[in-house]
Formats: sequence, C-alpha cells, structure tokens
Amino acid sequence: EAGVTQFPSHSVIEKGQTVTLRCDPISGHDNLYWYRRVMGKEIKFLLHFVKESKQDESGMPNNRFLAERTGGTYSTLKVQPAELEDSGVYFCASSRFDTGEQYFGPGTRLTVT
Amino acid sequence: GDSVTQMEGPVTLSEEAFLTINCTYTATGYPSLFWYVQYPGEGLQLLLKATKADDKGSNKGFEATYRKETTSFHLEKGSVQVSDSAVYFCALTPGYALNFGKGTSLLVTP
Repeated sequence: EAGVTQFPSHSVIEKGQTVTLRCDPISGHDNLYWYRRVMGKEIKFLLHFVKESKQDESGMPNNRFLAERTGGTYSTLKVQPAELEDSGVYFCASSRFDTGEQYFGPGTRLTVT
Repeated sequence: GDSVTQMEGPVTLSEEAFLTINCTYTATGYPSLFWYVQYPGEGLQLLLKATKADDKGSNKGFEATYRKETTSFHLEKGSVQVSDSAVYFCALTPGYALNFGKGTSLLVTP
C-alpha cells in the first residue's frame, strides 16, 4: 500500500508569489489533514477534510491560504500571496476514520524569500 | 487550550544507553497521547499511543505511560541503537486534530 505522498518536496519562492502544495492520501482514507511546522515551533493543525468537505479549518492562519479536495481524493493547499512568515514544513496526513491513526507524508519544505 | 511541552534537545547518547524524553501536557478533558518519530528524510510515524490514564504504550522497545496525576507521558527506552537517531514528537488529541510538542532531536553515537 502506497503511503501519503506530497509534492513538491521543497519549494523556494519570492514574497508575493503563489505556491500550490499537493497531497495524495492513502487510497480509501476519507480523512485528510494539513499541518504546518514553522521553524523552531510546534507542528500546528491547519485543517481537516472528510472526503471533499472541510470539517474544520480553524487552524488556517488567514485568507491567503486556500485548501481544496475536489472529488475527495488528493488535496491542494494554495498560498497566495506568500509572505516570509509562511516559510516552514507543510505536512499532510490521512486516516481511515476521524479518530484513527494518522499517516503522515514526508512534508513540503516551503521557503519564502 | 490543550498543549504539550517536551524537553528541548538535542539529546546525544552512546549506543546502549538509557533514554528518557520528558513530555507533559495540559488538557481540559481526557485526551489520547502519542509519540511520533521522524527519521531523516521521512514523514512522521506513529511510535506508540495511550488512550486513557495508566495505559502503557509500547513499540520497538520504547515505552510511555499515561500519567494523569502528573499529566505526563515520558518516553523511555532501555538501550538505544544508532538507528534510533531521529526527531521525537509528543502529541495529544481530544478528537482528531493533533497538538504536538516542539520535538526532541536524538542522536545516538556508536
């Protein structure tokens, strides 16, 4: 069974540009989560999808961030326009049930210069 | 809100040494507690978990006991190996969203 995959593994963009991160969850996992780790801080929850519906986006920092999961399969997280403080590692995770074990991807390291 | 505090790293140990990584939590309810591990270049992997007070989670020689009276979930291993070098994260969840500590980097030398 393939694990959670994320693309790209690393992205370097300039302030003001747009970046889209992609996450492919484990097949059959209805629940998908995004987390972020800013340098030196904790990994923070961003949002939770069940299939294509956003169940909880309480952790999204502001309206420059837009997450989608069309068709309930892969998900994208767009940052537009990117700011310096958006730099960090963005993790995606998926689970079969909302209280089930979450399987994490390797993360996308985003650097905004 | 719910939060986790874990000891700062990095921790450097010799092979076969005893490992303890401290983790304490603050929560309003009765969360589940976890230890995740991130090996270089890989995603976070669940190492062990405990869902109620006095439960002991164990895996790969690692253990942690859910202590409600001290609000702690310390990670221990009796004899570490070089392959245990990684970053360890303590986490809790009241439901589904995980709250993580900052992570503790462990380096085990031969």
